[in-house]
Amino acid sequence: DVKVTQSSRYLVKRTGEKVFLECVQDMDHENMFWYRQDPGLGLRLIYFSYDVKMKEKGDIPEGYSVSREKKERFSLILESASTNQTSMYLCASSFSGLAFFGQGTRLTVV
Amino acid sequence: AQSVSQHNHHVILSEAASLELGCNYSYGGTVNLFWYVQYPGQHLQLLLKYFSGDPLVKGIKGFEAEFIKSKFSFNLRKPSVQWSDTAEYFCAVITYSSASKIIFGSGTRLSIRP
Repeated sequence: DVKVTQSSRYLVKRTGEKVFLECVQDMDHENMFWYRQDPGLGLRLIYFSYDVKMKEKGDIPEGYSVSREKKERFSLILESASTNQTSMYLCASSFSGLAFFGQGTRLTVV
Repeated sequence: AQSVSQHNHHVILSEAASLELGCNYSYGGTVNLFWYVQYPGQHLQLLLKYFSGDPLVKGIKGFEAEFIKSKFSFNLRKPSVQWSDTAEYFCAVITYSSASKIIFGSGTRLSIRP
């Protein structure tokens, strides 16, 4: 079974902090994604990566950056957390169009 | 830009009722289509997929979906729902215009009355 693991299930951070969300997959997938999930808005793509050190902006990249130094790990970085970044963050990896999701990180910025 | 529309935000049904959830996408090229489901407290999982061939695809738990290319639609159906189908359902599209970007709809919350 494909396993996508997000480092934290719940996080509480203060406004202005730098926040790292980590995601690791164990199936050697080339494509990895970061989404945020908000009620009524579905999953919105923040960034995705199709290879090591390669990244592309999704639909809502403002306030975020990403890092992919190794194939199995895709990190989402909030440079200076703000309250409007309080959300559920989902990481996914994909192969042949099939996406496999992590359990999500619920981030609260206070 | 490519987009996916799910017009029903919240659907409430009684057990044994029939279900149809709408999904439309905007993209003129080759697409692969998916329905994902998220049960309460669980992570997203694949319900069914369409890549090519028979436009009527069957998924897990009695769900099926029909791809109608002329209508840019991929509606999800189930003849008789159960209380355990209570979940949020997401339609998704992958396009091949650039990298393999997966785009999701806004989701439909399905509540089943026992």
